[in-house]
Amino acid sequence: EPEVTQTPSHQVTQMGQEVILRCVPISNHLYFYWYRQILGQKVEFLVSFYNNEISEKSEIFDDQFSVERPDGSNFTLKIRSTKLEDSAMYFCASSGSGSGANVLTFGAGSRLTVL
Amino acid sequence: RKEVEQDPGPFNVPEGATVAFNCTYSNSASQSFFWYRQDCRKEPKLLMSVYSSGNEDGRFTAQLNRASQYISLLIRDSKLSDSATYLCVVVVAGGANSKLTFGKGITLSVRP
Repeated sequence: EPEVTQTPSHQVTQMGQEVILRCVPISNHLYFYWYRQILGQKVEFLVSFYNNEISEKSEIFDDQFSVERPDGSNFTLKIRSTKLEDSAMYFCASSGSGSGANVLTFGAGSRLTVL
Repeated sequence: RKEVEQDPGPFNVPEGATVAFNCTYSNSASQSFFWYRQDCRKEPKLLMSVYSSGNEDGRFTAQLNRASQYISLLIRDSKLSDSATYLCVVVVAGGANSKLTFGKGITLSVRP
């Protein structure tokens, strides 16, 4: 079964450092997403990406965050200067076209710990 | 009112029990509805879509009431492996703007 892969599975960083989380979406999918889940809280939408540009972003996705699809396979989330409150599990997801556009497949997540 | 609100939990039931989860959503423009399952420290996985006419998948039945903006999930004959957190998910728009809005989830523990 096709899957979304994410790296790293866990990253520990110091406050103020830059972090890049990487994702390889399912190969024929067109829509890409980042979500986050702070421990014990709900899954929250960060950003959606389609046709090489951001299609929607939440209020969480401020200037500290950016996304990029540098090549045909990777989809990255960069946090420029991490804060303690950025500690969370970050999930990448992708979806296909047509009726499949609303059916997201999530990766296993990247756990970010900011010290 | 929260965008997606689920019953508070957790639920702790014996094997074989029937359990029902409820969910309400605030945006009447919501178009698509899902139940996802999330195991501890894992990613959400699609359990089933929810259709207006109601739909069933084995022991799982999902219902949607658009007038009341209410979704439900019924699990019959609970198994130990059903222990997980169940997430109610609503989508307002489709295509490039398929932003899934998650409820907080309700945790189910099935005991022997």
